[in-house]
Amino acid sequence: SQKIEQNSEALNIQEGKTATLTCNYTNYSPAYLQWYRQDPGRGPVFLLLIRENEKEKRKERLKVTFDTTLKQSLFHITASQPADSATYLCALRSGNTGKLIFGQGTTLQVKP
Amino acid sequence: NAGVTQTPKFQVLKTGQSMTLQCAQDMNHEYMSWYRQDPGMGLRLIHYSVGAGITDQGEVPNGYNVSRSTTEDFPLRLLSAAPSQTSVYFCASSSGLTPPTLYGYTFGSGTRLTVV
Repeated sequence: SQKIEQNSEALNIQEGKTATLTCNYTNYSPAYLQWYRQDPGRGPVFLLLIRENEKEKRKERLKVTFDTTLKQSLFHITASQPADSATYLCALRSGNTGKLIFGQGTTLQVKP
Repeated sequence: NAGVTQTPKFQVLKTGQSMTLQCAQDMNHEYMSWYRQDPGMGLRLIHYSVGAGITDQGEVPNGYNVSRSTTEDFPLRLLSAAPSQTSVYFCASSSGLTPPTLYGYTFGSGTRLTVV
């Protein structure tokens, strides 16, 4: 069966450091992986997506990598700020279906 | 543009009551989905639609019905509410332009439902 796993433990880092979050998946092919940010009491907000044939995507301080051999995506926030504190969700979409399935999310806390 | 609008924002139901959660989008998106979010469980897909007249089940469809008569609206019906349906419900939509896999989803602000 299809499965998406994120580290459920909160990630605490110091301001200015790089935060790295992990998303592992099984049984998605082709895989289209998306990352979202969710703040308390609000709906998720789309950040980035990466396709199976792409190794890396960047957007400002965000970088996403995709390793289809390991079936893993890494989400990096460089020069992190307290305002980056939130829950980050990865999600997978298989092909052209409307079905987008989410991992449990990882909460990031950036301390000043 | 309003984006994805969900109503109501809060609702308390008694066990056995029925209700419809409303979702409307003004972005001409083909794809629409309903999720529920419970503490420690992440977002779980209830039902989704790839266009008007077409719906399909997600991960947790039991106890919920949907229909999609227009591109804009995708209501979620609870026929007989149970305490296990206490949750936060999110509606989301995404472009159907080809290829649709290039587009992320836009989420509404959620409906917080309590069933007593």
